[in-house]
Order: sequence, then structure tokens, then C-alpha cells
Amino acid sequence: QKEVEQDPGPLSVPEGAIVSLNCTYSNSAFQYFMWYRQYSRKGPELLMYTYSSGNKEDGRFTAQVDKSSKYISLFIRDSQPSDSATYLCAMKDSSYKLIFGSGTRLLVRP
Amino acid sequence: ETGVTQSPTHLIKTRGQQVTLRCSSQSGHNTVSWYQQALGQGPQFIFQYYREEENGRGNFPPRFSGLQFPNYSSELNVNALELDDSALYLCASRPAGGSADTQYFGPGTRLTVL
Repeated sequence: QKEVEQDPGPLSVPEGAIVSLNCTYSNSAFQYFMWYRQYSRKGPELLMYTYSSGNKEDGRFTAQVDKSSKYISLFIRDSQPSDSATYLCAMKDSSYKLIFGSGTRLLVRP
Repeated sequence: ETGVTQSPTHLIKTRGQQVTLRCSSQSGHNTVSWYQQALGQGPQFIFQYYREEENGRGNFPPRFSGLQFPNYSSELNVNALELDDSALYLCASRPAGGSADTQYFGPGTRLTVL
């Protein structure tokens, strides 16, 4: 069993839709949770960074962490075609290395 | 732009050969990590360097090695290439003591092993 599970998609939505992306994890030592966006032929770009449980909002993006359920989510409001990319969840404990999910491909149709 | 550059962009090698990939970090970023991202997968941690010393390693064999230089550049070397080494190799740099939200990834080098 992988430490971090993420639905690979692809997820196809119309422009303006609310997108929900999710990851589950098994390691209760994870304290830091991140969402990255990766466009084709590019490196991952950090979107959201949260510590412990709760919600964090940044513009059209909201990250949620539920440590009791070992479940994290990223919501994208008013999705745009430019949001089409692969979204990677990542998490870490107190050490240095990030553990990534396998990524969800998102396509926002105009 | 993240200020992290990698070269070359693409590389094709044959099984058994050796390869060197290069990364140039932002000034002041003296911690660099390397990740391997196979097609359709998330990045996997290879190792981390801090002040020119390896200070953490993932589940990769010794034929994966690295170097870090005082000018904030680094290298990933892979010996005895195998077909499964075909992947996107990413480096990520951050300042000493920086958290994950101050870590920036480069665009990656795509390695194909035939």
C-alpha cells in the first residue's frame, strides 16, 4: 500500500465548475501538507501549504486537511481552462523529504 | 520563474551507460533535493544535499550519486543505466532552514534509456 493515494483521473469539467481533488494517506506522522500544480513539461509549482488540520484559502483555491480521517482536499472555484494541469498532493513529517501522490490530471473545458 | 534551472532538457542514453544531470539553484539556496518522476507518477525522493554533503537518501541504489558545489550548482550521476531509470528528474532548492513552502522545483531533465 502506498503512503499517499490519489485518484489519477483524468477529471474533465466545464469552465466555471468547482473542482474537488483529494488524497488519502496512511502515515499519522505527516504534519505538513501541500498541493502542487504541474503543467506539461514543467516542474511542480507550489499552490498551497498547510500545517496540521483545518482550512486555508488563497484566491480561488481552498485546501482542507482532516488528520483524523487522514484525508486532504483541494477545491478550485470558478475553474478556468488555464487550470488544466496535473495536481499533486504532497506531505511530510518533521524530516526533509516530500512524499507525493501520483497526481490527478485535470481538464477544464472552455 | 523559480530561479532553478536544469540541463539538459532531454537526454537519450542506452542501457549500461552513465549520465550526469545538472541543476543550478537560486543564490543562497544551499539545500538541494533530487526527485525522480516516472511517467504518470508523482516525484520520488532520491537524496538531499546540504553544504556539499548528502544528508538524506530515499530508496535508491548507490549507483545514484550526487555532488553539490559552493556556487549553488549540483549534479545527479547515475551509473549502469537501466530501462526503469527513464523518467523526469527534478531538482528542488531551498535556503538553509527553509520549509517546504520556500522550496522551488526546476523544470526537470527528461531521461530516456533505450
